Parts: sequence; structure tokens; C-alpha cells
Amino acid sequence: SAVISQKPSRDICQRGTSLTIQCQVDSQVTMMFWYRQQPGQSLTLIATANQGSEATYESGFVIDKFPISRPNLTFSTLTVSNMSPEDSSIYLCSVESSSTDTQYFGPGTRLTVL
Amino acid sequence: GENVEQHPSTLSVQEGDSAVIKCTYSDSASNYFPWYKQELGKRPQLIIDIRSNVGEKKDQRIAVTLNKTAKHFSLHITETQPEDSAVYFCAASDSGGYQKVTFGTGTKLQVIP
Repeated sequence: SAVISQKPSRDICQRGTSLTIQCQVDSQVTMMFWYRQQPGQSLTLIATANQGSEATYESGFVIDKFPISRPNLTFSTLTVSNMSPEDSSIYLCSVESSSTDTQYFGPGTRLTVL
Repeated sequence: GENVEQHPSTLSVQEGDSAVIKCTYSDSASNYFPWYKQELGKRPQLIIDIRSNVGEKKDQRIAVTLNKTAKHFSLHITETQPEDSAVYFCAASDSGGYQKVTFGTGTKLQVIP
């Protein structure tokens, strides 16, 4: 399976600021996904990021709030903009294995907004 | 879109007993059903998956069954051990051009030594 890393692993931010989360994969992948996991909850898909095209956002998530970049086949960023305490959550990236269609997750970024 | 329901939300079993977690899905076109285990503070890890052309799959103490007609699938863990304690998520994929995965609400399994 792919080796996935995320930066930062955690951060504490002030409301109104923005944070960019990086996701790096050790192999080229077509599909990368960004999820949010609120405390004690399940995983909710924010958007799907393909290299060379605009990200596809799920209902309830908009590009102005969660801009995503996908400059190449091994890297993506998610920005959480104009943060409020409700954005406190774990953000995870995942990649889909081209050979098995299985999704593998990064270690997550724990965000706390004060 | 796909909707996945998962039961129970919490499950306590004695060590050595079996545990069963059940999920239902809504989209009859879904064809891929992975199960993830998430230990506290860690990332979800795939433990087993099943595709719609298979009714049952086993991997040591873990098995998954799929009933496409009824649109439900289940995870069975036999001879449970304390290290099986975690949150388990079922999921189902949409039938779109890529494997968009919709997750269930999770089951917190506690194995009591």
C-alpha cells in the first residue's frame, strides 16, 4: 500500500485565520480525497482531487471555504479558510490504489480552532 | 447518493466471544464494501473488503458477508482479543467513475479481558 504523510500533524489556530494541510504520497496516484472526521464521528468526504482539474466538492462543502490544490500525482493541499471553532476536527487525506480500488488514509491533521 | 447505516453503535464482548457488526446500504449499484478499523488517535486501516460478485470472504478471524438482494453486509470477528478493541467503520462505494466511498457511522467495539 502507498505511504502517505500529512503536515502538520496537529495545530491550534485562531478564528478567522487559515491553515493549509499538505498530503504527500510515495507513489503516483490518480485520485486523492480529503475527509473530515469530527470528534467521535464518522468520516465525511469533503472533496475529490484529480491532478490537472478542479476538485469536486461534496454537498455542504465549498471551494471558498476549502480550496484544494493538486499540482502533481503525489501531492495535494487542503486549506481551511476563515476558520471558526466549528472547523475543529481531524482532516485526513486518502488515496485510491490503482490496482485494488482500495482507499488508504494518511495519519490525519488534528485542528483546534480557538 | 449512497446512504450507509451501521449497527450497533457500541458493542461489548468478552474476550474469546464473537462480535458481529451489521450495515445496510441504499444504492443498489454499489459494488465495493470495505471495512476499516480505527484505533484511538490513529488513521483508519483497511481490515477486509468484499466486492459484489462475492458472497463471503474470510481472513483468519475476520469474515465479511454480503447480501446484495437485501443490501446488507456484516463483519464477523471470532475469538475476539483485547487488541480488537477499536472503532469499526463499514463503507460502500458509489457506482460512479471512481470509487467514492460512503462510510457508516461506526461501531465502538470493546473486548473485555
